[in-house]
Amino acid sequence: DQQVKQNSPSLSVQEGRISILNCDYTNSMFDYFLWYKKYPAEGPTFLISISSIKDKNEDGRFTVFLNKSAKHLSLHIVPSQPGDSAVYFCAASVRTGANNLFFGTGTRLTVIP
Amino acid sequence: ETGVTQSPTHLIKTRGQQVTLRCSSQSGHNTVSWYQQALGQGPQFIFQYYREEENGRGNFPPRFSGLQFPNYSSELNVNALELDDSALYLCASSPTGGGSYEQYFGPGTRLTVT
Repeated sequence: DQQVKQNSPSLSVQEGRISILNCDYTNSMFDYFLWYKKYPAEGPTFLISISSIKDKNEDGRFTVFLNKSAKHLSLHIVPSQPGDSAVYFCAASVRTGANNLFFGTGTRLTVIP
Repeated sequence: ETGVTQSPTHLIKTRGQQVTLRCSSQSGHNTVSWYQQALGQGPQFIFQYYREEENGRGNFPPRFSGLQFPNYSSELNVNALELDDSALYLCASSPTGGGSYEQYFGPGTRLTVT
């Protein structure tokens, strides 16, 4: 049973525009959410995270929004750059215990110059 | 600061064989987690080690086992390999405490079982 879902396998945006990547989850026990970026032949690279007590977290061009009632989060990248082209994974965890991450299946972002 | 490293990069094994994958944690990190990423999927949690003890396990059979050493490096062992074990195996390290819950990943080991 997939507890974290990314329903868009791919997204293409023009350079300079906003990229919005979406993620839904089903487990209401999740209290920490993360976004990772992955280039081919590399491991996932941590981008940004958000705790369930917040609804927004910003880091430079990257902003994550959390809507707990809808069990939905999104990653906004503004402005998008060609170097942002990668696969983006949404992940969630329960911070007690092993704090293991549950990942979505990823969204491939292509930023067109 | 040295990041997470894994060896080997690629490995080809035959069904029924055994394999050992290795991971060195990022400096200062005492928790290691292993994930399996099948083609087109997100990483799936296998298990986690903290202070040389298994600290949590995902839905993987006992033929997947691990070790953590005093220097926080780790091994993943898989016995009786099956074709479906072909995947990218990712190691992630994280510090314990300090309010940090991010995990930092190595480049992975690509295992092919024929």
